[in-house]
Amino acid sequence: QKEVEQNSGPLSVPEGAIASLNCTYSDRGSQSFFWYRQYSGKSPELIMSIYSNGDKEDGRFTAQLNKASQYVSLLIRDSQPSDSATYLCAVKRENTDKLIFGTGTRLQVFP
Amino acid sequence: EPEVTQTPSHQVTQMGQEVILRCVPISNHLYFYWYRQILGQKVEFLVSFYNNEISEKSEIFDDQFSVERPDGSNFTLKIRSTKLEDSAMYFCATARQLNTEAFFGQGTRLTVV
Repeated sequence: QKEVEQNSGPLSVPEGAIASLNCTYSDRGSQSFFWYRQYSGKSPELIMSIYSNGDKEDGRFTAQLNKASQYVSLLIRDSQPSDSATYLCAVKRENTDKLIFGTGTRLQVFP
Repeated sequence: EPEVTQTPSHQVTQMGQEVILRCVPISNHLYFYWYRQILGQKVEFLVSFYNNEISEKSEIFDDQFSVERPDGSNFTLKIRSTKLEDSAMYFCATARQLNTEAFFGQGTRLTVV
């Protein structure tokens, strides 16, 4: 079982729609959860962090965490073509240094 | 906005040569990391560095790799004898505290020929 799993996509949504990106993780000791956006050939850019169960909203982005189900998601409202990128889910155990990344979901927002 | 700076942006080296990748962390950050991403694959953790010593390293980070912060500002990754399979994007990341967000530099593309 992969440590962090994401559907590779592509996920295609029309401009203005809600994009829903999902991630599951295997380690119940995971405590910190992050979403990064990565444009092709570029570095990961932090979008959201979430540490406790529930929802966390920041502008058009909402992260959702369910530790019991070992599931974290990212919703992007009013999707724009500039949101087209690969979205990386990353998790970290408490008091460890390393981020464990998923393979990412490629999002395509078409006009 | 403060950012992590990496140099060079692209390095081409012959197999067996030594390379040093450099990173300037965000000024008030205390935790430093190197990650790599082979083309088409996921981002992989290499090593973390805190208080002038390695705090954690992965299986990838073998004896061919080393890190140091020689002058209190730059954070470097050295690969002693590069192999073809070391070709990848290498990202430096820094964090203010443990368990806080890590911010990535723009990366160094290493090509071993």
